[in-house]
Amino acid sequence: SAVISQKPSRDICQRGTSLTIQCQVDSQVTMMFWYRQQPGQSLTLIATANQGSEATYESGFVIDKFPISRPNLTFSTLTVSNMSPEDSSIYLCSGRAGTRGETQYFGPGTRLLVL
Amino acid sequence: AQSVTQLDSHVSVSEGTPVLLRCNYSSSYSPSLFWYVQHPNKGLQLLLKYTSAATLVKGINGFEAEFKKSETSFHLTKPSAHMSDAAEYFCVVTNSGGYQKVTFGTGTKLQVIP
Repeated sequence: SAVISQKPSRDICQRGTSLTIQCQVDSQVTMMFWYRQQPGQSLTLIATANQGSEATYESGFVIDKFPISRPNLTFSTLTVSNMSPEDSSIYLCSGRAGTRGETQYFGPGTRLLVL
Repeated sequence: AQSVTQLDSHVSVSEGTPVLLRCNYSSSYSPSLFWYVQHPNKGLQLLLKYTSAATLVKGINGFEAEFKKSETSFHLTKPSAHMSDAAEYFCVVTNSGGYQKVTFGTGTKLQVIP
């Protein structure tokens, strides 16, 4: 299985500030993704992190609010910008690996609380 | 179109009794199916996966699931529940098309009563 780490593991932030979350994956991973999990809910895909180019965002998510970088194969960052209490969620980094790249593995998540 | 339906949002079992978590799917392509577990304040851990090989899949911690194409189901079972099994479980489907769209179920919260 792939190994994925994230930091910070949790943070409490003030409204209007920004937080950058880092994700490191091992070399087995091909594609990288960022998800949001709001309290008591399932996962929602924010974007696919593309190496060396702009991320591919899902409907309802925009680059100005969630800028993403992936400077190399094994590292990506997600920034949550100009935060509001509605951004309080768990943010999960995910990577795809496996024989046909069909299996997704997840980082431990970053628990964000915005006051 | 692709979708996943987890039929129960909450399941409660007594310790030592069988567990059944139900999942139905729809997919236009040959699907790959997964079960993940999420313990409180933890990330998602892969329990098991079906990727067009054997239809009965064994996973970690004594869990298994059977892919039934005729019923479009991929139910998760365990013969005997343990207290440590209390968690949220997600059924996930991906397609085998050129763009591997991933769809998550809404989750089933498993409670294990001592």
